[in-house]
Amino acid sequence: AQKVTQAQTEISVVEKEDVTLDCVYETRDTTYYLFWYKQPPSGELVFLIRRNSFDEQNEISGRYSWNFQKSTSSFNFTITASQVVDSAVYFCALSGEYSSASKIIFGSGTRLSIRP
Amino acid sequence: GAGVSQSPRYKVAKRGQDVALRCDPISGHVSLFWYQQALGQGPEFLTYFQNEAQLDKSGLPSDRFFAERPEGSVSTLKIQRTQQEDSAVYLCASSLESGASYNEQFFGPGTRLTVL
Repeated sequence: AQKVTQAQTEISVVEKEDVTLDCVYETRDTTYYLFWYKQPPSGELVFLIRRNSFDEQNEISGRYSWNFQKSTSSFNFTITASQVVDSAVYFCALSGEYSSASKIIFGSGTRLSIRP
Repeated sequence: GAGVSQSPRYKVAKRGQDVALRCDPISGHVSLFWYQQALGQGPEFLTYFQNEAQLDKSGLPSDRFFAERPEGSVSTLKIQRTQQEDSAVYLCASSLESGASYNEQFFGPGTRLTVL
């Protein structure tokens, strides 16, 4: 079965703090893709990153970084020096090459609030 | 360029009414997806089109839900005899090529359906 677990329902930090959003996934596919999406209050899902299961290199994009560890089935997302504009709901998601090739399985999301 | 658009943005229906939700994908995008997002949850897959062909409808919750994309562009999600549990945000997404696993999906702003 395909499953994505985001254990942190809500996180609140003060601006400029670093924050890590956890994501754990389950899949039987050997080839799969992991995603992070941001959903601001406007409601539109914004794509942040996609990684495939064969690429375990960590990635950094500005203040955002992602740590993919196959050994623990985790794909965590860190925001460095957080800003108020980072406040949103963040979803981790999974798509398998065979068992769910035509769909993305989303976690339940983590609501991140950045206080000024 | 124009993104994915959905109409109406908000819909209030009385229980038992039929509703039709429209999605205009990005021009030229082959794939189109519908998701249902209940309050406080992540989006859940409903159905997937490749051009005009509905390749996966495994997520449709009942036979009251019907989707079509007759000319391979605009899609309509129809819900017959609406029930209160149908209240949710319905998200449409499109991607340039076929499948979900390796292609970025661009999401629309969603239609918030409230069934009274």
